[in-house]
Amino acid sequence: GQNIDQPTEMTATEGAIVQINCTYQTSGFNGLFWYQQHAGEAPTFLSYNVLDGLEEKGRFSSFLSRSKGYSYLLLKELQMKDSASYLCAVRDSGTYKYIFGTGTRLKVLA
Amino acid sequence: GAVVSQHPSRVICKSGTSVKIECRSLDFQATTMFWYRQFPKQSLMLMATSNEGSKATYEQGVEKDKFLINHASLTLSTLTVTSAHPEDSSFYICSARWDSPRETQYFGPGTRLLVL
Repeated sequence: GQNIDQPTEMTATEGAIVQINCTYQTSGFNGLFWYQQHAGEAPTFLSYNVLDGLEEKGRFSSFLSRSKGYSYLLLKELQMKDSASYLCAVRDSGTYKYIFGTGTRLKVLA
Repeated sequence: GAVVSQHPSRVICKSGTSVKIECRSLDFQATTMFWYRQFPKQSLMLMATSNEGSKATYEQGVEKDKFLINHASLTLSTLTVTSAHPEDSSFYICSARWDSPRETQYFGPGTRLLVL
């Protein structure tokens, strides 16, 4: 079956670093995506990993280990505007559909 | 690049009426678009995959006669919720697949539907 797990909620302090984990079990794998979604808005693309390792993009980095079915999104120098839900999505290699996790609601406190 | 628009952003309708939602890729051509539904505090659930020039592929449990999808051009897909009922109230989001520089889905801003 298809299963993607993320923590439901996390809280961190402005200026800090936070790591949001995602584990997945899917029948086929063709890439893992991270999206940010503010309340009442549509998701915006953050990062994409298809090979093992770390992809860095400014304050955001994403890591993938295909053998472990594991990814994380690392947010540095947290800002209040980073308070949002972060969605992990896996693209199925057979159908090219995206399977989304339930999202992690991040609260950044002053 | 990779801008996707949706219209309307918000709609309130009476039970039994039909509502059409448009999804447009503004600066790229999208042979494939996706329609999702999201209930409060839940993740995105894929409803159907819309392919230009062919019939949409619906996910299990999604009624194709209730959620009509038309992908008439490379930049436009429409979702029509027919005979809407209060349980259809939700946040409907479309995405368009863009293959440059790598295949990624880009989301529209969403349409909030409230059926009274």
